[in-house]
Amino acid sequence: SQQGEEDPQALSIQEGENATMNCSYKTSINNLQWYRQNSGRGLVHLILIRSNEREKHSGRLRVTLDTSKKSSSLLITASRAADTASYFCATGPSGYSTLTFGKGTMLLVSP
Amino acid sequence: DTEVTQTPKHLVMGMTNKKSLKCEQHMGHRAMYWYKQKAKKPPELMFVYSYEKLSINESVPSRFSPECPNSSLLNLHLHALQPEDSALYLCASSEPRRGDYGYTFGSGTRLTVV
Repeated sequence: SQQGEEDPQALSIQEGENATMNCSYKTSINNLQWYRQNSGRGLVHLILIRSNEREKHSGRLRVTLDTSKKSSSLLITASRAADTASYFCATGPSGYSTLTFGKGTMLLVSP
Repeated sequence: DTEVTQTPKHLVMGMTNKKSLKCEQHMGHRAMYWYKQKAKKPPELMFVYSYEKLSINESVPSRFSPECPNSSLLNLHLHALQPEDSALYLCASSEPRRGDYGYTFGSGTRLTVV
């Protein structure tokens, strides 16, 4: 069953702009992860934030987590055409390592 | 080696065929997964193997039969599939003792059932 709900479902921006995607979830979690999927390919793990963390950075990526609101956001700064992909949040439930994926955000970055 | 390798990349099969999807990893991960993904949808968990034992079967029809011959290999045997089973089948692995680790995914097998 799906846990995360991404918002927006689709996002279209110009190169150089920032892209923000949001994810909400329903149950308690051990961690929250973000993945990227280029069209028809496998998923690539981008970043993981633990339930006791509030913010994490990796290169041009910034992830926040608000466990009180059961929500997370992924910010991609200075976007590039190569960032065009679908982005999924995935929750790792407490005490178990199986991930449940949200519906995803399709990001289109135009040159 | 930090990859999960899936073969074949594409597969077309008839509804009476028997075929197998293969997945291999050499990262020493002790958990391996099969996910099914339909177009414009998120991946959906099918099976989980942990330490080579089937630990989760998400009510998948018996026409899908997983097998884990050893800690590096995961197979998905297919028999008497339906056209609605056409999808991208993704294999992934992780280290179950490290709940704060991401999954490593293969590139998937694009399956078409005719």
